[in-house]
Amino acid sequence: RKEVEQDPGPFNVPEGATVAFNCTYSNSASQSFFWYRQDCRKEPKLLMSVYSSGNEDGRFTAQLNRASQYISLLIRDSKLSDSATYLCVVILGTAGGFKTIFGAGTRLFVKA
Amino acid sequence: GAGVSQSPRYKVAKRGQDVALRCDPISGHVSLFWYQQALGQGPEFLTYFQNEAQLDKSGLPSDRFFAERPEGSVSTLKIQRTQQEDSAVYLCASSPRDRTGELFFGEGSRLTVL
Repeated sequence: RKEVEQDPGPFNVPEGATVAFNCTYSNSASQSFFWYRQDCRKEPKLLMSVYSSGNEDGRFTAQLNRASQYISLLIRDSKLSDSATYLCVVILGTAGGFKTIFGAGTRLFVKA
Repeated sequence: GAGVSQSPRYKVAKRGQDVALRCDPISGHVSLFWYQQALGQGPEFLTYFQNEAQLDKSGLPSDRFFAERPEGSVSTLKIQRTQQEDSAVYLCASSPRDRTGELFFGEGSRLTVL
């Protein structure tokens, strides 16, 4: 089983729609969590951190459920420019330090 | 520039050739990571440095892969005797702090092994 799993999609939604992505992680010792965005043929960029209390940044809301070991990202009022791959990221402590583990990503297409 | 710089951006190698990929992190960033990203997949962890110390190399797929960061700044990922399955984008990322998921990525080096 992969350490971080995401629905690969693609999600095809119209502009203005609300879309949600989930991500599950297997190691209960995972320490912190993030969502990254990656445009086609570009490098990943940090979108937002994920906290147990949930956090919101404009149209984006991230939630963490430690008991069920999943993370979610909600995008409201989707824009064409939201089309990208969304990567779930988990930080895991290791004997040597820590490891940053990426999911395979969920592809989102927002259409006019 | 202010960002993470990687070179070469594109590399075509014949099977069996050795390649070296360079990463110049953001100045002052303590942590440096190498990832391998195949088409349609997320970045796969290869190795991690804290300053010049390589703290985790558990993701390196074979002993043909070697990374170094001798002075705690620029890093080089070397792949010996390249194979077709090594074809991927190699991403370097740096971070100003330890134990953080706030990574700043370079644009990557796209390696194609023929």
